Amino acid sequence: AQSVAQPEDQVNVAEGNPLTVKCTYSVSGNPYLFWYVQYPNRGLQFLLKYITGDNLVKGSYGFEAEFNKSQTSFHLKKPSALVSDSALYFCAVRDSPLYGNNRLAFGKGNQVVVIP
Amino acid sequence: ETGVTQTPRHLVMGMTNKKSLKCEQHLGHNAMYWYKQSAKKPLELMFVYSLEERVENNSVPSRFSPECPNSSHLFLHLHTLQPEDSALYLCASSSGSPTPYEQYFGPGTRLTVT
Repeated sequence: AQSVAQPEDQVNVAEGNPLTVKCTYSVSGNPYLFWYVQYPNRGLQFLLKYITGDNLVKGSYGFEAEFNKSQTSFHLKKPSALVSDSALYFCAVRDSPLYGNNRLAFGKGNQVVVIP
Repeated sequence: ETGVTQTPRHLVMGMTNKKSLKCEQHLGHNAMYWYKQSAKKPLELMFVYSLEERVENNSVPSRFSPECPNSSHLFLHLHTLQPEDSALYLCASSSGSPTPYEQYFGPGTRLTVT
């Protein structure tokens, strides 16, 4: 089965500094990778996805992610973090596309804390 | 707003009660999902419906009973729950495969079992 790993429980960064949230994946076949963000008391919001093409994917709220096939990684990045970016971030990979659905396997999530 | 709504947003129920969670999507999707999110644990996929048929049940106890009457609505019927079932229950929807579409999530129902 496909899986992703998010090695850090929490990422602390000062406001204005670059933010990186790490994700590595394990798949058989083509990797279809996603990032989601969850703010307190809310559902998950889609940020971006990698399907094919350019290794650098741009998404919502100034976030981008870099797909690295040799390192099996899909790290989420933002050049300058804002306090409002403090949230829980999930990496996900599409699992077996059976029966006409897009089942996802999620990582455990990373809490990002942006310090003013 | 993601186009996926869930009601109620908060629910407190006793272990002997019966209640239902409702999810509605306005995106024209044909697959819907129920997830359980507990503190300090990974997101758990509970059920998957595709074209209104249940295609996956991830070893979920029978006290959780899903229902998908049409492609826009999904219910989770609850009865004789346990305190460990307290969690945030998330509904999501997506278009079908083979194109790898993202899932869109509702805001969740915060369930507390007393």
